[in-house]
Amino acid sequence: DGGITQSPKYLFRKEGQNVTLSCEQNLNHDAMYWYRQDPGQGLRLIYYSQIVNDFQKGDIAEGYSVSREKKESFPLTVTSAQKNPTAFYLCASSTPSVRPEAFFGQGTRLTVV
Amino acid sequence: AQSVAQPEDQVNVAEGNPLTVKCTYSVSGNPYLFWYVQYPNRGLQFLLKYITGDNLVKGSYGFEAEFNKSQTSFHLKKPSALVSDSALYFCAVRVSGSARQLTFGSGTQLTVLP
Repeated sequence: DGGITQSPKYLFRKEGQNVTLSCEQNLNHDAMYWYRQDPGQGLRLIYYSQIVNDFQKGDIAEGYSVSREKKESFPLTVTSAQKNPTAFYLCASSTPSVRPEAFFGQGTRLTVV
Repeated sequence: AQSVAQPEDQVNVAEGNPLTVKCTYSVSGNPYLFWYVQYPNRGLQFLLKYITGDNLVKGSYGFEAEFNKSQTSFHLKKPSALVSDSALYFCAVRVSGSARQLTFGSGTQLTVLP
């Protein structure tokens, strides 16, 4: 089945550590996105990538980094510079020129302990 | 800049009654509008979209939405609510022709009471 896979589902991080969230899609979508979800704030865009080896900052990119070495993969690293990383992280993909809606993974819940 | 407002954090409706979840938007240009639903600790599921054409769009699970350009609104509706419709609903907007991704509202928690 085609879809977007995020792993792990739950992740715990100690303060000062970097962690990487995985996002893989087999939908052959060109574009991929990372969102952060906090209660009552909706979804905020962290980074997005329209093509392999290229990505752009979203609204809240500070303290995060990404790479897009393969079309299928768009991992997100939450660095120690991110002051409040506890949140629900959602990955999405789309091919805007074909279908404007995005499709989402099941999310990763990151908790700083 | 583009933005979406969902004025109600919480909507309660009795099972079998019609439901409406409100959304207004602001964009420079022609909007693409979307509704998504989220169940606890899950990703977002696409419900429906407005791109162009008929102002009333129909989507999954019996939901529909009406695009109103003069009021810049895109309210989600369903004629008869089910308890299983209880979830968090998000409205989103993107400007047509823009590569930038969707801008989301803050979400509305719908509770359908049995």
